[in-house]
Amino acid sequence: GAVVSQHPSWVICKSGTSVKIECRSLDFQATTMFWYRQFPKQSLMLMATSNEGSKATYEQGVEKDKFLINHASLTLSTLTVTSAHPEDSSFYICSAPDPGLADSSGDTQYFGPGTRLTVL
Amino acid sequence: AQKITQTQPGMFVQEKEAVTLDCTYDTSDPSYGLFWYKQPSSGEMIFLIYQGSYDQQNATEGRYSLNFQKARKSANLVISASQLGDSAMYFCAMREGPPGGATNKLIFGTGTLLAVQP
Repeated sequence: GAVVSQHPSWVICKSGTSVKIECRSLDFQATTMFWYRQFPKQSLMLMATSNEGSKATYEQGVEKDKFLINHASLTLSTLTVTSAHPEDSSFYICSAPDPGLADSSGDTQYFGPGTRLTVL
Repeated sequence: AQKITQTQPGMFVQEKEAVTLDCTYDTSDPSYGLFWYKQPSSGEMIFLIYQGSYDQQNATEGRYSLNFQKARKSANLVISASQLGDSAMYFCAMREGPPGGATNKLIFGTGTLLAVQP
């Protein structure tokens, strides 16, 4: 399967600071990437769809000014949590489908290893 | 209404036995895809198996098979010969619309925590 990396794997920051999380497709080009948030013992909730070269599409209830997404290249999308607060502490995970495998894999999304954010 | 329903919050299975994890879905789109992912305690999401709505046969991948019953809108995951390393959270997910479509986002169920006992 396709490989997606994420950096950092964990981060601890002070309340009010901004944190940037990177998501990279390592062996394929991803025109679309997805950002999810997962609270402990809960399912993945889609936050936004990141589109290369255009604005991200945010899900209802997700503040676009707080969670800035930039998809500047076909292999990199970044999520910046601005002015982070303790309630933003969560597991953030990105995914991307490999366009080259769309037909055979049904647009299977390959996930990065996730970033655990703790805001103190 | 929930689009993806996993009714088993947790399950135990003996090592080497088979286990079935339930998943039902709800969609009016004739073209859709169903996926199962495994999430161990490390947090990574590992793709296990995929079933397209038009696939005639049930998908299989090694010890994993998907029991696809379209009329009942169910897509249960069967793990044969359970191993200790299978202990993890398992999520069922659905993509509405054809692959490569404009909206290929996934909708996830609430997950089932599987514990394999020696």
